Amino acid sequence: DVKVTQSSRYLVKRTGEKVFLECVQDMDHENMFWYRQDPGLGLRLIYFSYDVKMKEKGDIPEGYSVSREKKERFSLILESASTNQTSMYLCASSRFSGSAYEQYFGPGTRLTVT
Amino acid sequence: AQTVTQSQPEMSVQEAETVTLSCTYDTSESDYYLFWYKQPPSRQMILVIRQEAYKQQNATENRFSVNFQKAAKSFSLKISDSQLGDAAMYFCAYRRDSNYQLIWGAGTKLIIKP
Repeated sequence: DVKVTQSSRYLVKRTGEKVFLECVQDMDHENMFWYRQDPGLGLRLIYFSYDVKMKEKGDIPEGYSVSREKKERFSLILESASTNQTSMYLCASSRFSGSAYEQYFGPGTRLTVT
Repeated sequence: AQTVTQSQPEMSVQEAETVTLSCTYDTSESDYYLFWYKQPPSRQMILVIRQEAYKQQNATENRFSVNFQKAAKSFSLKISDSQLGDAAMYFCAYRRDSNYQLIWGAGTKLIIKP
């Protein structure tokens, strides 16, 4: 059974803190994604990675960075958390090639920045 | 730029009845993929159904089927014999053939009345 896990379901941080969100997949997928989900806006792509140490900006990369040192792990970093980064963060992975590139999702991390 | 529009923020249906969720998209591409994803409350996003644009036949998966109108750029999801477990947020998503990035609609919350 495919599995994408995220380090925390709920996280509360203070403004200005550095925040790490971790995602691990056990499907040997090449692609990994970080999304932000806000009500009425759907999912917006922050960053994605198509290989180890490779990354590309999505639609809303400002205020975020990512790291992919191992194929199975993709980290999202908020260098200095701000209240407008309070949101649900979803990680996903997919094969580089194959039928319609289905993305598999983790359970999400609900981050609150106070 | 491609966009995906879900015009129904919320829908409700009586258990065992049929409901249709709407999705329209805008693209100048001829080859692409369309997806419906389901996000149950506090649970992971999962793929419900996918459609390849080059296929004229509408995709079906058990009680779930789509009405794909390529010329009208419409991709609606029909759920037959609605069950309580179908209650969730439903997201429509678009992917270009040459890219693994998904463009997401804002989502439709489906409520099932017992």
